[in-house]
Amino acid sequence: KAGVTQTPRYLIKTRGQQVTLSCSPISGHRSVSWYQQTPGQGLQFLFEYFSETQRNKGNFPGRFSGRQFSNSRSEMNVSTLELGDSALYLCASSEPFSSGTEAFFGQGTRLTVV
Amino acid sequence: DAKTTQPPSMDCAEGRAANLPCNHSTISGNEYVYWYRQIHSQGPQYIIHGLKNNETNEMASLIITEDRKSSTLILPHATLRDTAVYYCIAKMNRDDKIIFGKGTRLHILP
Repeated sequence: KAGVTQTPRYLIKTRGQQVTLSCSPISGHRSVSWYQQTPGQGLQFLFEYFSETQRNKGNFPGRFSGRQFSNSRSEMNVSTLELGDSALYLCASSEPFSSGTEAFFGQGTRLTVV
Repeated sequence: DAKTTQPPSMDCAEGRAANLPCNHSTISGNEYVYWYRQIHSQGPQYIIHGLKNNETNEMASLIITEDRKSSTLILPHATLRDTAVYYCIAKMNRDDKIIFGKGTRLHILP
């Protein structure tokens, strides 16, 4: 089956703009999580959605938001971009509450804020 | 989630077994030990997980000590393609949130 698909793969935005990233999970997976990866902070959890509801949230400001649609596809939005938001944004999908809830990650969207 | 501690980097000769240690002394009884790896510029990849017993799959073996305070990931015959950052994570199966540490950067030497 197809893996986790993230679009776009690369993005360049200007400080102050907003951006929307998309994630299509593996078919049948209902849980989608988002992560930010930077050289300084490593991989940090942003939030997790299950059945269109945010179930977990990391320690990021309110400029970072997300949503999940009825087909489990998810989007994350970052408003008022700052230079420090430049990062690789990864999404992962999983089948929640199964005996082996390994997460499958997409290739990520590399966001550069200039 | 329990915190894990890993060495920042390790070297291993190609063809030899790579043994990556992880300490998780505060792990709770219902937390599993998961291992992921991230090859440069790619998303993390699941390797293996376990609760108490040793586990083996086509990629690796996981050895968990009897007191569950530490574990070792074993790549039996390391190849250059195993060069990656390896993350050891302790989490409950019912919690889909993964808290990554800094991991171990494994260098496979030709």
